[in-house]
Amino acid sequence: DAGVIQSPRHEVTEMGQEVTLRCKPISGHDYLFWYRQTMMRGLELLIYFNNNVPIDDSGMPEDRFSAKMPNASFSTLKIQPSEPRDSAVYFCASKGGGGTGELFFGEGSRLTVL
Amino acid sequence: SQQGEEDPQALSIQEGENATMNCSYKTSINNLQWYRQNSGRGLVHLILIRSNEREKHSGRLRVTLDTSKKSSSLLITASRAADTASYFCATGAGGADGLTFGKGTHLIIQP
Repeated sequence: DAGVIQSPRHEVTEMGQEVTLRCKPISGHDYLFWYRQTMMRGLELLIYFNNNVPIDDSGMPEDRFSAKMPNASFSTLKIQPSEPRDSAVYFCASKGGGGTGELFFGEGSRLTVL
Repeated sequence: SQQGEEDPQALSIQEGENATMNCSYKTSINNLQWYRQNSGRGLVHLILIRSNEREKHSGRLRVTLDTSKKSSSLLITASRAADTASYFCATGAGGADGLTFGKGTHLIIQP
């Protein structure tokens, strides 16, 4: 298996632009998580899905952030409009429902908003 | 707020020495996990210890858990340059499916 695949790996955009981050979880995993990592706040859970259904989005910072999972093999995290304080590394992770709770992370998408 | 807090924030040791990192958490947990993150990469799971376990080993890794003190430690024996990375503890609590991570310990192994 190729693992969790995220794209793009790096994104530089200007304030006010829309940003879309993409994630393909490991096949067969029914949980998908979006995390954000910054030096100041560490790793923050933004939202997670179970069987494509959003379960907990309490970590989504503002209405500018939205996430979707239209099918078991694809999820997006969208920021519209983007702001400089959104600059961070965004990680997608997945896990199997019958597993031990171990998360499998992608390599992350580094977002810079100018 | 962060559930887990690692200590120290940074640690630099010589190759071959043992490295010990600690993690404290605040609420009841089902399990505690340790992850490693190399610079510019995603997190990689190292080991999981359940709340009813006190110690667990995996290769050069030894994890302890003291639920009465709400703390855990990760010991890496006979460190290698390749162990240079950030190490995070993560806790799973109650019925929640997401993990809460600490801010990590940055470990540097000097050759």
